[in-house]
Amino acid sequence: DVVMTQTPVSLPVSLGGQASISCRSSQSLVHSNGNTYLHWYLQKPGQSPQLLIYRVSNRFSGVPDRFSGSGSGTDFTLKISRVEPEDLGDYYCLQSTHFPLTFGSGTKLEIK
Amino acid sequence: QVQLQQSGTELVKPASSVKISCKASGYTFTSNYMHWIRQQPGNGLEWIGWIYPGNGNTKYNQKFDGKATLTADKSSSTAYMQLSSLTSEDSAVYFCARVSSGYYFDYWGQGVMVTVSS
Repeated sequence: DVVMTQTPVSLPVSLGGQASISCRSSQSLVHSNGNTYLHWYLQKPGQSPQLLIYRVSNRFSGVPDRFSGSGSGTDFTLKISRVEPEDLGDYYCLQSTHFPLTFGSGTKLEIK
Repeated sequence: QVQLQQSGTELVKPASSVKISCKASGYTFTSNYMHWIRQQPGNGLEWIGWIYPGNGNTKYNQKFDGKATLTADKSSSTAYMQLSSLTSEDSAVYFCARVSSGYYFDYWGQGVMVTVSS
């Protein structure tokens, strides 16, 4: 199985500040069709995960441009600028290039 | 709008089975894969498998082979997951999630909490 290593585990940030979350995969996430199926989710307390970024860098409908994704191959980053209270929760990366699909272990974004 | 409405909380006994549902609306049920994901208390997310309601094809994470069985009823636009031989390890929240053409989960159900206890 592809192991998704997400860091940090916990990320204290100040409101209005910037946050950066890393996700590294144990093998390349480039599919044989040339696409890279790496996505980012936010799970707020008591809710189901919600899609933020799909295929590395594409913001899902309604997601503010404060969220951005980048990376390639095995190394990916989610950046959140001007952090707002509604951004707090657990962030997960997901790879759907290889079976079984696997998630990162999560990063808890909390107020400093 | 796309909605996935899951069934309610379950409290079940060890060694028994449980069947949870996920009713889809707002799109053509038979056109998208439906996936299931587990989240154990305080833990992250694990992919269980998918079903394609158009033809009933399924694919499972090997870890859940024999534990989970996925089915779908086209007439009611409802996907089901049956979990068998339940142990305390199966206590978790189970989500259904629709997959888009870009192979990401774009819509999720609200989750079903299953508690296995005698």
